[in-house]
Amino acid sequence: EAGVAQSPRYKIIEKRQSVAFWCNPISGHATLYWYQQILGQGPKLLIQFQNNGVVDDSQLPKDRFSAERLKGVDSTLKIQPAKLEDSAVYLCASSSQRPSQGQMNTEAFFGQGTRLTVV
Amino acid sequence: GDSVTQMEGPVTLSEEAFLTINCTYTATGYPSLFWYVQYPGEGLQLLLKATKADDKGSNKGFEATYRKETTSFHLEKGSVQVSDSAVYFCALKNGGFKTIFGAGTRLFVKA
Repeated sequence: EAGVAQSPRYKIIEKRQSVAFWCNPISGHATLYWYQQILGQGPKLLIQFQNNGVVDDSQLPKDRFSAERLKGVDSTLKIQPAKLEDSAVYLCASSSQRPSQGQMNTEAFFGQGTRLTVV
Repeated sequence: GDSVTQMEGPVTLSEEAFLTINCTYTATGYPSLFWYVQYPGEGLQLLLKATKADDKGSNKGFEATYRKETTSFHLEKGSVQVSDSAVYFCALKNGGFKTIFGAGTRLFVKA
């Protein structure tokens, strides 16, 4: 079974530029997450999708970050304009949970992440 | 809200030493508990999990027992190897929502 795919692996941009990350979850996984992991910290959820609907985006800085999951499969996360403090690893994860079927706390599978450096 | 607290690192051990990384949690209801491992330059990999009280998760010689009475999920391994050097994250998931992570504990194992 193929894992969660992310691209690019690394990105260096100047502040105020824009950047986009792409994620392809595990086939059949209805739930997709974007996490931000700052060096030395645990991952922090930015946004959670269930199919193509947003479940939780309470920690997403909506003035500069946006995310979409068209057709309930692939997802993109965009930052515009980037700030120095956005330097982090952006992790995409997916899980097979289906609350309507009683499958609630299934584990999340993570991609390798995109390391963003804003200079 | 729900939260996870784990011991600060780094933890430095010699090969074949016994490992314990403490983890406690705060949550309403009945969360599932996880340990994830992150090797250098890699994403997070699920190491083990437990879904209800008194469950023991185990994998690759690592074990953790879900203790509801002490709200703990400590990670243990009887004999660590150099290849176990990584960052370990304790995490919980409650009610089908996001996975909440601790800050991570870096483990160094010396040959």
